[in-house]
Amino acid sequence: QKEVEQDPGPLSVPEGAIVSLNCTYSNSAFQYFMWYRQYSRKGPELLMYTYSSGNKEDGRFTAQVDKSSKYISLFIRDSQPSDSATYLCAMSANEFYFGTGTSLTVIP
Amino acid sequence: DSGVTQTPKHLITATGQRVTLRCSPRSGDLSVYWYQQSLDQGLQFLIQYYNGEERAKGNILERFSAQQFPDLHSELNLSSLELGDSALYFCASSPQGLAGYYEQYFGPGTRLTVT
Repeated sequence: QKEVEQDPGPLSVPEGAIVSLNCTYSNSAFQYFMWYRQYSRKGPELLMYTYSSGNKEDGRFTAQVDKSSKYISLFIRDSQPSDSATYLCAMSANEFYFGTGTSLTVIP
Repeated sequence: DSGVTQTPKHLITATGQRVTLRCSPRSGDLSVYWYQQSLDQGLQFLIQYYNGEERAKGNILERFSAQQFPDLHSELNLSSLELGDSALYFCASSPQGLAGYYEQYFGPGTRLTVT
């Protein structure tokens, strides 16, 4: 079983839609939960991080962590074509573990 | 621009060969991480160095090795290359290397193609 599972998609939505991206994990030792955005052929860039359970909001992005269910989510409101990218979840205790990424396309 | 540089951008080589990938971390960052990204495996952590010392090891093959030099740049050496080693190799750096949260800044990657 992989440490982190993420639906690879692809996900295609119209501009303005609410997007929900999710990951599940198996290691209860994970304390830090992150979402990275990766444009084609570029390095990942950090969008948000959350410590332990709870929600965190940053503009159009909201990250949620449910440690009891070992489930994390990223919501994107009012999605824009510029949000089209691959979204990677990541989590760490001491080492980093990344999901395989979900490819998102926002259609104008 | 993250401030992390990687060279070369692209590398094409044959099976059985040896290559060296280079990474310069952001100014002031002491930790360097190496990752391999392939289509089917996603981003896989290989190894971390903190201020010249190996800090953590992930799924790094014995054919691969890395080191961090006194000026904090790092090199990843890949030997006896196989077709399956074709992937994007990313370097990331962070100010810290200890347990807890620390933001990693990723470089642009080196695309390795083994033919």
